[in-house]
Amino acid sequence: EIVLTQSPVTLSLSPGERATLSCRARQSVSSFLAWYQHKPGQAPRLLIYDASKRATGIPARFSGSGSGTDFTLTISSLEPEDFAVYYCQQRSNWLYTFGQGTKLEIK
Amino acid sequence: QVQLVESGGGVVQPGGSLRLSCGASGFTISSYALHWVRQAPGRGLEWVAILSYDGSNEYYADSAKGRFTISRDNSKNTLYLQMNSLRAEDTAVYYCARERYSHSWYYGLDVWGQGTTVTVSS
Repeated sequence: EIVLTQSPVTLSLSPGERATLSCRARQSVSSFLAWYQHKPGQAPRLLIYDASKRATGIPARFSGSGSGTDFTLTISSLEPEDFAVYYCQQRSNWLYTFGQGTKLEIK
Repeated sequence: QVQLVESGGGVVQPGGSLRLSCGASGFTISSYALHWVRQAPGRGLEWVAILSYDGSNEYYADSAKGRFTISRDNSKNTLYLQMNSLRAEDTAVYYCARERYSHSWYYGLDVWGQGTTVTVSS
């Protein structure tokens, strides 16, 4: 099982600020990594797939980068609706794991 | 409208069984790999199982192996999760999700249901 470690656990920022979320894999996952946004009572929402490609309908302020073991999700200028929990997820040989999540909260 | 809707959750005693269903609309499940993902109270997302588009590949998280079985009925456009020998730690919201599977790219889980709640308690 490939373990994903997200940092920080909690990120406190204000609307308009830039958010940088990190995801580190214990071994290489190539570009087989996705990012999700999850709000309470809602289904998770795919933001980024294949490490750097924005999913359909996702605003341009969301971007993903990285390959191998180190990945980053960047939100260029936070909107009020962006405060949520963010998860990275990898796929390797038909087995999948999620990171433990980063909670993005309003400062 | 592309949609997944889970059902079948409820309260079950430890050691009991439950079968979850996930009905799809707006697309044909036979073209997609399908997953179950769960979230225990106060915890993060946990991947549970995958079934390939043709049903030839099924894989499970260690926590589900030997107790859970994922299956699909393409004629009903429905995914299932049979859960046996349930434990308190299986208490969670269970989501189904689809993946456009490619060996060359990872498209992520792009459509999710709203989830169904399973509570294992005596």
